[in-house]
Amino acid sequence: AQRVTQPEKLLSVFKGAPVELKCNYSYSGSPELFWYVQYSRQRLQLLLRHISRESIKGFTADLNKGETSFHLKKPFAQEEDSAMYYCALKKYGNKLVFGAGTILRVKS
Amino acid sequence: GAVVSQHPSWVICKSGTSVKIECRSLDFQATTMFWYRQFPKQSLMLMATSNEGSKATYEQGVEKDKFLINHASLTLSTLTVTSAHPEDSSFYICSASPRVFLTYEQYFGPGTRLTVT
Repeated sequence: AQRVTQPEKLLSVFKGAPVELKCNYSYSGSPELFWYVQYSRQRLQLLLRHISRESIKGFTADLNKGETSFHLKKPFAQEEDSAMYYCALKKYGNKLVFGAGTILRVKS
Repeated sequence: GAVVSQHPSWVICKSGTSVKIECRSLDFQATTMFWYRQFPKQSLMLMATSNEGSKATYEQGVEKDKFLINHASLTLSTLTVTSAHPEDSSFYICSASPRVFLTYEQYFGPGTRLTVT
């Protein structure tokens, strides 16, 4: 079965500290993974996708098939990064399976 | 671009009544729209996939007679919660995928908060 696990409900870091939001997945096929972000009182929006291998707002994520992980990283956290982050896996029919989400709080 | 709207943003209804939620893609045509449900402080759970001009496909455990989905055009999908009960109270979110070959991106609406009293 397809499953996305985000083990941390809340991650609190100081401004300027590195950030790593963990995501592990379970999928029998070739996975397509995404990170979505939801800022306070805003809609869910795509942050990045593993296929693009891009860096958005300083965030990167590398797909590690051996460890079945897709952790989100940023070397220096900023206060405006505070938000809810969801890891998602695309399965057949373009359907998304979401993890439980991790709240990132960046303290000044 | 790629804006998805939902209406209403919040609704309160009495137990036993039905309520309709609209999802519109404002500046693109959506071959597929998805409906999610989100409980407080929990993740989004996919309820159903809606394709224009065909019947919606529901995820396991979702009652299709209770959650009626109609995708009448390439820019509009509706979710009707029939005979609503307090346990149907939730945050309902739709997303839409543009009519572009091989695209996989979903654009999300702002959500509709339903409260059944």
